[in-house]
Amino acid sequence: EVQLVESGGGLVEPGRSLRLSCAASGFTFGDFAMHWVRQAPGKGLEWVSGIRWKSDRTAYADSVKGRFTISRDNAKNSLYLQMNSLKTEDTAYYYCTKGPYGDYDDVDFHHWGQGTLVTVSS
Amino acid sequence: QSVLTQPPSVSAAPGQKVTISCSGSSSNIGNNYVSWYQQLPGTAPKLLIYDNNKRPSEIPDRFSGSKSGTSATLGITGLQTGDEADYYCGTWDSSLKVVFGGGTKLTVL
Repeated sequence: EVQLVESGGGLVEPGRSLRLSCAASGFTFGDFAMHWVRQAPGKGLEWVSGIRWKSDRTAYADSVKGRFTISRDNAKNSLYLQMNSLKTEDTAYYYCTKGPYGDYDDVDFHHWGQGTLVTVSS
Repeated sequence: QSVLTQPPSVSAAPGQKVTISCSGSSSNIGNNYVSWYQQLPGTAPKLLIYDNNKRPSEIPDRFSGSKSGTSATLGITGLQTGDEADYYCGTWDSSLKVVFGGGTKLTVL
């Protein structure tokens, strides 16, 4: 059974940093692209970032480009999101989701984590 | 403002049929597959339709998807109260990013 478990969320002040993690199990993690999708409370889904299976290419939403960095450790079956220079508008639930194959240009997200809440506030 | 345009809300009576539209452009829907997601309150999104019209094995055939040009449509027949949820369309955009619609709230009257 595919499982994705996010962690690392919490309350952080504007301008500070936070690192999210996603622990994957139940599939060959290194064969698949991975993504982060967020949802502000009461708002819609917003894609944040994606990474190819071998980490050679990454993509970011304009709203986070230059501030967030996606990475993965295939040996540890883990996905990460380093979030720097956080803004109040980054407050959201952050979901980890698995792509259908190695590249990140397909939006068949069959499996999602439960989400981790990031609150940016002073 | 979302790249893909969906109606904010739709409603229909139990047992009836409803459709939800998703409008985009040649840089996204026009040249890529569309997926649809259902999100019940307090839960993560769930994939309903992928590759425009395919259903995961666990999704009942009451749910269907189609695409024509730069628009896509989700159809739900035999509406049930349990179908009340938010629905999102999504696809890849040639600007090298994933794009979602703003979401549609379905009310089963």
